[in-house]
Amino acid sequence: DAGVIQSPRHEVTEMGQEVTLRCKPISGHDYLFWYRQTMMRGLELLIYFNNNVPIDDSGMPEDRFSAKMPNASFSTLKIQPSEPRDSAVYFCASRYRGQGANEKLFFGSGTQLSVL
Amino acid sequence: AQSVAQPEDQVNVAEGNPLTVKCTYSVSGNPYLFWYVQYPNRGLQFLLKYITGDNLVKGSYGFEAEFNKSQTSFHLKKPSALVSDSALYFCAVRDGGYSSASKIIFGSGTRLSIRP
Repeated sequence: DAGVIQSPRHEVTEMGQEVTLRCKPISGHDYLFWYRQTMMRGLELLIYFNNNVPIDDSGMPEDRFSAKMPNASFSTLKIQPSEPRDSAVYFCASRYRGQGANEKLFFGSGTQLSVL
Repeated sequence: AQSVAQPEDQVNVAEGNPLTVKCTYSVSGNPYLFWYVQYPNRGLQFLLKYITGDNLVKGSYGFEAEFNKSQTSFHLKKPSALVSDSALYFCAVRDGGYSSASKIIFGSGTRLSIRP
């Protein structure tokens, strides 16, 4: 398996523009998580899905942020409009609940977002 | 709500010496505890976990961690540090007391620096 795949790897955009980050989880995984990493706030959980359904979006900072998971193999995180303070590394991670005691999260390589 | 604290932003150790990276947690139910490592420009990688059983758990790359329920701690340890261990280390917790609570929360991270 190729692992969790995120695109793009880097994104540079101007304030006010719409940004869409993409994630393909590992096949067969039924949980998908979006995290944001910054120097100031560390690794924050934004939202997670189970079987394509959003379970907890309490970490989404503002209404400018939205996430979807239209099917088991694809998720998007959208920021509209983007602001400079959204600059961060955004990680997607997935896991399979059937792992039972394993509980291991598999992370993508992240998207480095810079909003100018 | 669950939380996890890593009190040290950075830990510096000489190669060959033992290392400890500290972590304390707070959950309502039974804690599921994890350590992940992040190398530059990479996603997080799973190191080890504690779910139940022996309080001393062993993981990848010679790392181990000790679960201490009375102190609500889960410190990461290695008997002899290598320069290649230099990276960012994250402690994480999930509340195992609720079947639907799959939220996994990460600490702020500790940068481990091993000098030759």
